[in-house]
Order: sequence, then C-alpha cells, then structure tokens
Amino acid sequence: EAGVTQFPSHSVIEKGQTVTLRCDPISGHDNLYWYRRVMGKEIKFLLHFVKESKQDESGMPNNRFLAERTGGTYSTLKVQPAELEDSGVYFCASSHLDRGGTEAFFGQGTRLTVV
Amino acid sequence: AQKVTQAQTEISVVEKEDVTLDCVYETRDTTYYLFWYKQPPSGELVFLIRRNSFDEQNEISGRYSWNFQKSTSSFNFTITASQVVDSAVYFCALSSNSGGYQKVTFGTGTKLQVIP
Repeated sequence: EAGVTQFPSHSVIEKGQTVTLRCDPISGHDNLYWYRRVMGKEIKFLLHFVKESKQDESGMPNNRFLAERTGGTYSTLKVQPAELEDSGVYFCASSHLDRGGTEAFFGQGTRLTVV
Repeated sequence: AQKVTQAQTEISVVEKEDVTLDCVYETRDTTYYLFWYKQPPSGELVFLIRRNSFDEQNEISGRYSWNFQKSTSSFNFTITASQVVDSAVYFCALSSNSGGYQKVTFGTGTKLQVIP
C-alpha cells in the first residue's frame, strides 16, 4: 500500500511568487490534514479535510494560504504571494474516517524555502 | 489549551550510550493520546508509539522504552544502547477529546545525534 505522498519534496521560490504543494493521501482515507513546521519550532496544525469538505481550518495563518481537495482525493495547498516567514516544512497526513488524528499517517513533507 | 514541551533542543551521545528524551504535556481533557514520532534525515515523520491516557503501563519495544507518568504529565522516551541510525529529530505529541482527536499538538522536537 502506498503511503502519503507529497510533491515537490523541496521548493525554493522568491518572495512574492506563488507555490502549490500537493498531497496524495493513502487510498481510502477520508481524513486529510496539513501541518507546518517553521524552523526550530513545533509542528503546527493548519487544517483538516473530510473528503472534499474543510472541517477545521483554524490553523491557517492568513488568507495567503488556500487549501483545496477537489473530489476528495488529493489536496493542494497554495501560498500566494509567498513571504519569507512561510519557509518551513509542510506535512500532510491522512487517516480513515473513524480514526481521526490518532491514527494518521504522515508524508515526507515538502520543504519550502522563500528567498 | 494543549501544550507539549520538549525542553531538550539537541542531545549528542556516543554510540551504545542510553539516552532519554523528555516530554511534558498539558491538557484539561481526561481522555487523550500521546505519541512519539521520529523524523530521520530523509524527512518523513515515522510513527513510533501511541498511548491513551488510561493506560499508564510502561512499554518496551526492542531498544525503545516509554515511561508514561500521569502524576507529572510526562511521557519520556528512552533509547537503550543507541546506534547511529537513531540520529533524528524526535517529536512528542498529544491529541485529545476537545480537539475531536483530529488535531495533534506537537512539541518543538529534540534533535538526537549519535556519534560513532
């Protein structure tokens, strides 16, 4: 069974540009989560999808971040325009509907560097 | 509010030494889960263990062991006879009823370097 896959693994962009991160969850997992770790700090929750619906986006830092999960399969996280403080590692996780965050599988992360 | 504190930012040990990574948590919930994850240099988060708040039995898995003490709100992780492959960042985390068990609150991580 394939795990959670994230693309790209690393992205370097200039301040002001747009970047789109992609997450492919484990097949059959209705729950999908985005987390972010800014350098040296804790991994922070960004948002939670159940299928294509946003259940909780309380962790999204501001309106420069837009997450979508069309069709309830893969998800994208767009940052537009990117700022220096957006640099960090973005993790995606997924789980079965009845397992929640306690049995979530994480991807390898996308390292975003904004210069 | 929930909080997980990993006071040790970085630890270096010589191979074969034992090392304990500390984790202290805060939550108002009586039902919660505690986790440890490992992030090796390759970047992915690897699940190590999940314990629920009603099970205070310590657990041992090979060279890994976990000491859960509700009285001190701690969930410490010990690696016995450390190996170079143990070098990674280790995260302690918490998920509780008030978050619907959906959000996981992580600590800042402890970077462990095992020197050959």
